[in-house]
Formats: sequence, C-alpha cells, structure tokens
Amino acid sequence: EVQLVESGGVVVQPGGSLRLSCAASGFNFDDYTMHWVRQAPGKGLEWVSLISWDGGSAYYTDSVKGRFTISRDNSKSSLYLQMNSLRPEDTAFYYCTKDSRGYSGQYYMDVWGKGTTVTVSS
Amino acid sequence: EIVLTQSPATLSLSPGERATLSCRASQTVSSYFAWYQQKPGQAPRLLIYDASHRATGIPARFSGSGSGTDFTLTISSLEPEDFAVYYCQHRDNWPITFGQGTRLEIK
Repeated sequence: EVQLVESGGVVVQPGGSLRLSCAASGFNFDDYTMHWVRQAPGKGLEWVSLISWDGGSAYYTDSVKGRFTISRDNSKSSLYLQMNSLRPEDTAFYYCTKDSRGYSGQYYMDVWGKGTTVTVSS
Repeated sequence: EIVLTQSPATLSLSPGERATLSCRASQTVSSYFAWYQQKPGQAPRLLIYDASHRATGIPARFSGSGSGTDFTLTISSLEPEDFAVYYCQHRDNWPITFGQGTRLEIK
C-alpha cells in the first residue's frame, strides 16, 4: 500500500523554527518528485514546495522563499520541510504529497498523507 | 502568479442531478490542469489531470474539459458520496496554484 506519514507539527512561537518529516512507503520513493501542500484552518489548498526525484531541483511559493527549505533522503524514503522565521500566517495543516509521474514529474499530486498541524502563536 | 477563480462558491444539488463546476485562470494554462475532491477531515484526492484525463480509480461519472483559461468539471449524476469541496489546480508555471474551492452540498 502506498503511504505517506507526516510528523513534526507542533505549536511554535513567531520567529521560531520547525522541521516536518514525511515517511514514504509502498512505492519507489527515489523515482518521484515530492511536494508539500498546506491548508490553513477552514481555508483552501496552497502549494508550498516541490523537490525533484534526485533532490537536484526545488521550487517554492513566493511567501515561503528564503524561509523554508525542502529536502529529501532517498536512502530513508523520507521528505523534509525545514521551516524558519515562522509567521502566524504559516499556521496550517501540512500535507506531504507524491507527484503523479516519476522522474520528470507531472506536477499533479496523486497520493496525500493525512497531514500534520503547525500552529504559529505566542 | 496565475490566479484560479472557481464558480460558484457553493452549489446545491440533489443526488442524481448533474453538477457543473467552473474554474477560470487569469492567463492561459494550456491543458496543464487538474481537479481534486476533498471530503471533511480527509486529504484531497486527485480526480482529473491534464484537463480531461481521469486519475486511477475515478468513476466515469466524473469528467473534465476545457483549455486555455476556462475549465469545467462535470459530475454526470451525483451520488451521495460526491458531496464535498472541489479544487482546481494548474501546473503551467511557478508557482503552482489552486482555486479557492467550490462546495457541493446536498439540496
């Protein structure tokens, strides 16, 4: 069974840092581009970042550029999101997602984890 | 950034009826377009990709159409499990963006 399990979500103060992790199983992790997508409470979906299958390319939405860093460890089938200089508006449910096509990527998301909650508040 | 505007915000229909959901892009996105379904307390599910291709396991009552700036998701005959929030998404350039969602509710 293809599965993504996120962890690391907590309550953190503004300006703080946090690292989210995502453990993948049931597919060849190192064949796929991976994404992070977030959803603020009661709001819609916001794409955050993606990383290519080999970690060689990464893209971010403008609001997190320079603050968030996506990375992966293919030997551990794991995806990460390092979040620095956190702001209240980063409060959201964070989903780890798998791209719908291997290698070059298709930039749609066909497998989603259950998500982890990040709350930025003093 | 390409802005996706979904309409209507809420659609009230009965089981068995036909649902038509729209999404308009602020600039041309070719056919690099997807639709997702999200039920309360669940992660989204990919329904349609490349504007008109059904994802694996998606029932035939779901169909997508459109190109350029105007896209449509059609559910031919609503089943009780189809009442949910639907999001559109483009992948034409950076950043990837989603629409704000259409809530499909039971009338």
